[in-house]
Amino acid sequence: DTEVTQTPKHLVMGMTNKKSLKCEQHMGHRAMYWYKQKAKKPPELMFVYSYEKLSINESVPSRFSPECPNSSLLNLHLHALQPEDSALYLCASSQPNRGRNEKLFFGSGTQLSVL
Amino acid sequence: GDSVTQMEGPVTLSEEAFLTINCTYTATGYPSLFWYVQYPGEGLQLLLKATKADDKGSNKGFEATYRKETTSFHLEKGSVQVSDSAVYFCALIHYTNAGKSTFGDGTTLTVKP
Repeated sequence: DTEVTQTPKHLVMGMTNKKSLKCEQHMGHRAMYWYKQKAKKPPELMFVYSYEKLSINESVPSRFSPECPNSSLLNLHLHALQPEDSALYLCASSQPNRGRNEKLFFGSGTQLSVL
Repeated sequence: GDSVTQMEGPVTLSEEAFLTINCTYTATGYPSLFWYVQYPGEGLQLLLKATKADDKGSNKGFEATYRKETTSFHLEKGSVQVSDSAVYFCALIHYTNAGKSTFGDGTTLTVKP
């Protein structure tokens, strides 16, 4: 199984809503990532979990709250988002290797629209 | 810091044409280099990789060679197909920045029948 599964595929939410994005992988990878991608742009790193611990937070606003319940699951909790947060949110996983040959496996993403 | 520069797109080719997408990088030492592809409505997929100088990565008819002397990792394919239409991202990762891949801006390829 070489898949990273993300749900939901599409999400529309108001600025006062609370929602969660979910990501799952069964490749035994111990690093999991959240990226944000705007149209026609490269993905921007948001968070990295390594061995279920938050290792990188790229100064993301607190309205985004990541959670890694176990080595296969990654969540992103959303609260009080702004319209500019509308984007494709991508989950990825890899085997941690100290920056050497850390190839990423991406899910298909959640297309988020904030109204 | 590390950076990746890709040739600007979009690139439009006829089927069976030769493809080159240029990628150059700035990084100390020997980063690992990657090409990822993103088809419409999907996430990124690893296309090929190289981890040391003169390595050639290849997959699905695509090739790229890690050139340390020119700090380049150009993507080539001898005969493109309509199904190759996608956005291509060059990327690197370096041991000084573990967990943080650096991506180029992406190059959109459209192949016409």
